[in-house]
Amino acid sequence: RKEVEQDPGPFNVPEGATVAFNCTYSNSASQSFFWYRQDCRKEPKLLMSVYSSGNEDGRFTAQLNRASQYISLLIRDSKLSDSATYLCVVNKGGGNKLTFGTGTQLKVEL
Amino acid sequence: GAVVSQHPSWVICKSGTSVKIECRSLDFQATTMFWYRQFPKQSLMLMATSNEGSKATYEQGVEKDKFLINHASLTLSTLTVTSAHPEDSSFYICSADTEGDLYEQYFGPGTRLTVT
Repeated sequence: RKEVEQDPGPFNVPEGATVAFNCTYSNSASQSFFWYRQDCRKEPKLLMSVYSSGNEDGRFTAQLNRASQYISLLIRDSKLSDSATYLCVVNKGGGNKLTFGTGTQLKVEL
Repeated sequence: GAVVSQHPSWVICKSGTSVKIECRSLDFQATTMFWYRQFPKQSLMLMATSNEGSKATYEQGVEKDKFLINHASLTLSTLTVTSAHPEDSSFYICSADTEGDLYEQYFGPGTRLTVT
């Protein structure tokens, strides 16, 4: 089983749609969780950290379910500029190493 | 703040030669620097972790004699791909974290290596 699993997509959605991505992780000792965004041929950029209580940043909402070892990202009112690959990232068993999922590709269309 | 640079952005080299990639934290001192490799349509794979002044810790399956890492200061780490082969062609990305950030890492723009 992969340490971090994501549906690779692509998810093709119209502008203005709401879209949700899910991610599962295998190491129950993981303590830090993130969503990164990666544009084609670029480096990953931190989108948001994910906290147990859930957190929101503008159109983006992240949720963590430790019991199910599941993380989600919700994007409301999708923009064309949201088109990218979204990487679910988990720290490795409590240390400072990060494990990346393969990413979910989002394409927002007119 | 928290800007990480990498140099070069891209490099094409011949098989058998060595290539050095630099990673710098521009506006902060990096406690730890990380080197990743990403093949097309695949995830970032951690290659090694380095701390200033000490030997790098390599992930399983990564040859330490092939991928030489030097972390001479709190703002500079280098990765040298020795005797490069076409299968080493990849996107190499470094990152750095700082004390106080809960394992958040700041990424450099990456170096695209093509070995012919």
